Amino acid sequence: QVQLQESGPGLVKPSETLSLTCAVSGYSISSGYYWGWIRQPPGKGLECIGSIYHSGSTYYNPSLKSRVTITLDTPKNQFSLKLSSVTAADTAVYYCARWDGYNTNAFDIWGQGTMVTVSS
Amino acid sequence: DVVMTQSPLSLPVTLGQPASISCRSSQSLVYSDGNTYLNWFQQRPGQSPRRLIYKVSNRDSGVPDRFSGSGSGTDFTLKISRVEAEDFGVYYCMQGTHWPPTFGQGTKVEIK
Repeated sequence: QVQLQESGPGLVKPSETLSLTCAVSGYSISSGYYWGWIRQPPGKGLECIGSIYHSGSTYYNPSLKSRVTITLDTPKNQFSLKLSSVTAADTAVYYCARWDGYNTNAFDIWGQGTMVTVSS
Repeated sequence: DVVMTQSPLSLPVTLGQPASISCRSSQSLVYSDGNTYLNWFQQRPGQSPRRLIYKVSNRDSGVPDRFSGSGSGTDFTLKISRVEAEDFGVYYCMQGTHWPPTFGQGTKVEIK
């Protein structure tokens, strides 16, 4: 059973870089699939941030592309998100998820999410 | 980006009664491979989204058959044949045909 778990600081100062990690269990991320990040501001809808293929190719939402970096750490079986120059508008629950690009073109397995607040 | 528009945004329902949610996209969701990558998710309070339906009408494993999806092109519907207590929450449609993937605003299904 594939499971994902986000971790990282819950509070980030404005203008700094938000860094999160997603640990994957039950599947080796180097074997296949895309691995992605989605966020949800409090009381609002869902926004795709981007994803990374098991080969390392990345795909970012154009609205965030200039500030986003997603990387793989295959020895630790995890992947990470960095979002630079954050503002209060980046306050959200951040989810990591598996993107099934082979059959359904959708995020099919999600982590539980982690709340990140941007505040001084 | 493809804009996904759901209606209604709030749906009061009585237990045991049917419910229906509409989702319309600003562009056709038919991909070059002939598939239509329209998905439906359920999000209960305090939980992460759970996918219910993929490619318009295919239920994910473990999803009760009271949930059904239909539609084509730019117009899609999620139906619950008889709402149960565990079905209350927010439902989102999501398109995976065009990058970036985009979600509808969400429809809150609540007790009438």
